[in-house]
Amino acid sequence: EDQVTQSPEALRLQEGESSSLNCSYTVSGLRGLFWYRQDPGKGPEFLFTLYSAGEEKEKERLKATLTKKESFLHITAPKPEDSATYLCAVQAVDSNYQLIWGAGTKLIIKP
Amino acid sequence: ETGVTQTPRHLVMGMTNKKSLKCEQHLGHNAMYWYKQSAKKPLELMFVYNFKEQTENNSVPSRFSPECPNSSHLFLHLHTLQPEDSALYLCASSQTGGETQYFGPGTRLLVL
Repeated sequence: EDQVTQSPEALRLQEGESSSLNCSYTVSGLRGLFWYRQDPGKGPEFLFTLYSAGEEKEKERLKATLTKKESFLHITAPKPEDSATYLCAVQAVDSNYQLIWGAGTKLIIKP
Repeated sequence: ETGVTQTPRHLVMGMTNKKSLKCEQHLGHNAMYWYKQSAKKPLELMFVYNFKEQTENNSVPSRFSPECPNSSHLFLHLHTLQPEDSALYLCASSQTGGETQYFGPGTRLLVL
């Protein structure tokens, strides 16, 4: 069964304290893995798409990496404005529309 | 307006009411989606429309009725809902199925 598991469920960091969020996935064949950021009361905001193992993408303090079993979202020297819930989703090669979503990691950055 | 817009942003309705949620995308996309998001649960895909044709219906109860009059507009008609239907309802669009999905701000629904 295709599934996505995100860990930890919640993560509290001090400002400037780097860390990583994990997205483990099981899918018959991976078409793409997506990272989104969601602020309270808002819709998910697209961050990255990764397509193949070894691929990396960066945006400001965020860097996403992909292996055959998992993806990491590395956050370097985070600021309070990075606080949000980070969502991971995967799309299987045999699915045109369905994304399989994780439950998210709630990240809190304390000043 | 840019991106994906949704109205209303908040809605409180009784179990016997009928209401509709509206979504409009200004991205020139051809696929539109309705999702339900409940606290601490993964997003649940409800309906997918591609070029105005419904292509996915994930066993959603008939009290939710979608409508897609054109590639830019999507509606979700609600009637005789249950309290467990209270959630954030998100609309998304993509160029085609399989492409990156872009989300609206959502409608926070409370069913009393």
